Amino acid sequence: GESVGLHLPTLSVQEGDNSIINCAYSNSASDYFIWYKQESGKGPQFIIDIRSNMDKRQGQRVTVLLNKTVKHLSLQIAATQPGDSAVYFCAETSIIQGAQKLVFGQGTRLTINP
Amino acid sequence: DVKVTQSSRYLVKRTGEKVFLECVQDMDHENMFWYRQDPGLGLRLIYFSYDVKMKEKGDIPEGYSVSREKKERFSLILESASTNQTSMYLCASSLEWLLAASSLDEQFFGPGTRLTVL
Repeated sequence: GESVGLHLPTLSVQEGDNSIINCAYSNSASDYFIWYKQESGKGPQFIIDIRSNMDKRQGQRVTVLLNKTVKHLSLQIAATQPGDSAVYFCAETSIIQGAQKLVFGQGTRLTINP
Repeated sequence: DVKVTQSSRYLVKRTGEKVFLECVQDMDHENMFWYRQDPGLGLRLIYFSYDVKMKEKGDIPEGYSVSREKKERFSLILESASTNQTSMYLCASSLEWLLAASSLDEQFFGPGTRLTVL
């Protein structure tokens, strides 16, 4: 069946370093992907998205890379700050009962060390 | 500011009780969703609604029902709560049903309700 998963459940980086969070997906028909950030005690917050007709998209300090050949998605955060500490989820679209819905990965906990 | 609110942040109920979780959004969004979030399993879709009085099952609808009588409100109902329904419940809404434009598809999430069933 289809699934979205993350290679590592936890990631620790030094403040100021760049971080890369990875995600593997199995549904080759997925055409839309989103990264969410969830801070403690809060709901997920949209960070950045990418469509399958793109392989890279940049936001403010964040870049999402999509490799459709190996069905891999990554989120790069530049110059990490303490406020980047959170759980990060990738999500892909899936067709359920004729409608699109998001399928979420398990999440990666990013910890920024001072 | 866009806002999705949930009626309770923490809730403790007993096995067999009927539980109502309420979600309200003030963005005039067509689509609303209920997820549960469990460690190691991520977010799993329980039910969603794409219009008033319309509902569709998600991945794990068993043991749940929903109600959407008004556009801004989407209720999740546990007819007879069980201990395996102890979880964090997240409500979300979105403008479009995952169509072409990117950020329009964003799902806005509420803060969550942590439900404990004893």
